[in-house]
Amino acid sequence: GESVGLHLPTLSVQEGDNSIINCAYSNSASDYFIWYKQESGKGPQFIIDIRSNMDKRQGQRVTVLLNKTVKHLSLQIAATQPGDSAVYFCAENVQGAQKLVFGQGTRLTINP
Amino acid sequence: EPEVTQTPSHQVTQMGQEVILRCVPISNHLYFYWYRQILGQKVEFLVSFYNNEISEKSEIFDDQFSVERPDGSNFTLKIRSTKLEDSAMYFCASSEEVRSKQFFGPGTRLTVL
Repeated sequence: GESVGLHLPTLSVQEGDNSIINCAYSNSASDYFIWYKQESGKGPQFIIDIRSNMDKRQGQRVTVLLNKTVKHLSLQIAATQPGDSAVYFCAENVQGAQKLVFGQGTRLTINP
Repeated sequence: EPEVTQTPSHQVTQMGQEVILRCVPISNHLYFYWYRQILGQKVEFLVSFYNNEISEKSEIFDDQFSVERPDGSNFTLKIRSTKLEDSAMYFCASSEEVRSKQFFGPGTRLTVL
């Protein structure tokens, strides 16, 4: 079973730099992916999504890359700001299911 | 911008008591979900709800849990007899379509003593 209290991977970047957060997903049947941002004490906030018929999608300051061959997802945040400090989760959705399966999260800290 | 809202923000209860957590999904959304997050752990799926019935549930969602849409706006999660291990943040989410972006509420922190 899972251990109590996950030790989140952490990433620290300087304000203004770009950051890349990675996620490995487990189910080859997953074909829809979402990145969420969670600030302390708040609910997950939608950032960007991508379906498996794409390998890249861009939003405002964010880009998601999907590599289905190695089951890898990444979130690139450009020109990071202090408000980007949060825990970032990838979530996968398996074809035929409605639930999202969340990854363990990465804590991003933006240093001034 | 429309948001999912949840009440209360924090609920403290005694073990064995019933609790009802309330959510107001985004008004034009048709699919509703409950997730929970035990402190320091991943967000876990509990149940999805569509057209007034459960469409999918996890193994966590046992007979102690139930969901209801009592009117056109509210969506509730009831835990009949709370256990210590039910202590967690409970998030409601909604989506416009199946397998589309799910928007989460701010959560209810449930503390079972």
